[in-house]
Amino acid sequence: EVQLVQSGAEVKKPGESLKISCKGSGYSFTSYWIGWVRQMPGKGLEWMGIIYPGDSDTRYSPSFQGQVTISADKSISTAYLQWSSLKASDTAMYYCARITGWFDPWGQGTLVTVSS
Amino acid sequence: QSALTQPASVSGSPGQSITISCTGTSSDVGGYNYVSWYQQHPGKAPKLMIYDVSKRPSGVSNRFSGSKSGNTASLTISGLQAEDEADYYCCSYAGSSTLGVFGGGTKLTVL
Repeated sequence: EVQLVQSGAEVKKPGESLKISCKGSGYSFTSYWIGWVRQMPGKGLEWMGIIYPGDSDTRYSPSFQGQVTISADKSISTAYLQWSSLKASDTAMYYCARITGWFDPWGQGTLVTVSS
Repeated sequence: QSALTQPASVSGSPGQSITISCTGTSSDVGGYNYVSWYQQHPGKAPKLMIYDVSKRPSGVSNRFSGSKSGNTASLTISGLQAEDEADYYCCSYAGSSTLGVFGGGTKLTVL
């Protein structure tokens, strides 16, 4: 079964750094793009960026360029999304998903709460 | 890149059919046959329902169908069931620099 399992919920203060993860299993992790999607409270889905774990080719949506960093460690089939300095406006649910031209399957989501 | 335009809400009675529209531009929906649709129940991750405009993944009911005309894609759900009540999002590829864009989402209420 193809599966993506994300790391657990995080509570952070503004200015802190954070790295969340997304571990793939059941398929060749290096052969498919992985995407990250943001969902702010009560809002819709936003495409943040994608990475190809095979060669770490990474692309960002214009709105998220410079705001986050996407990376991957193919040796442990894991993709990452990180922030160097969190803001309250980063509070959201973050999903990873395998991309085959479409997003499927999705991880269960990681809730990030940033509050002083 | 602006989000694709979807109606905020639609509703229908059990057994009826509804259609959700998704309007973009020639740079996204109209320019590629890479439109997908996702269902999201409260507190759950999205689930793929339609890909490549009109293809249905294995396991998705044939009550769900997709189409596209010009810059507008559509998701039709026939024979509405209570379990179809959820939020629905369209998504389109928008080129190598923009990547892709989602619609704002549509809340489906089964009356």
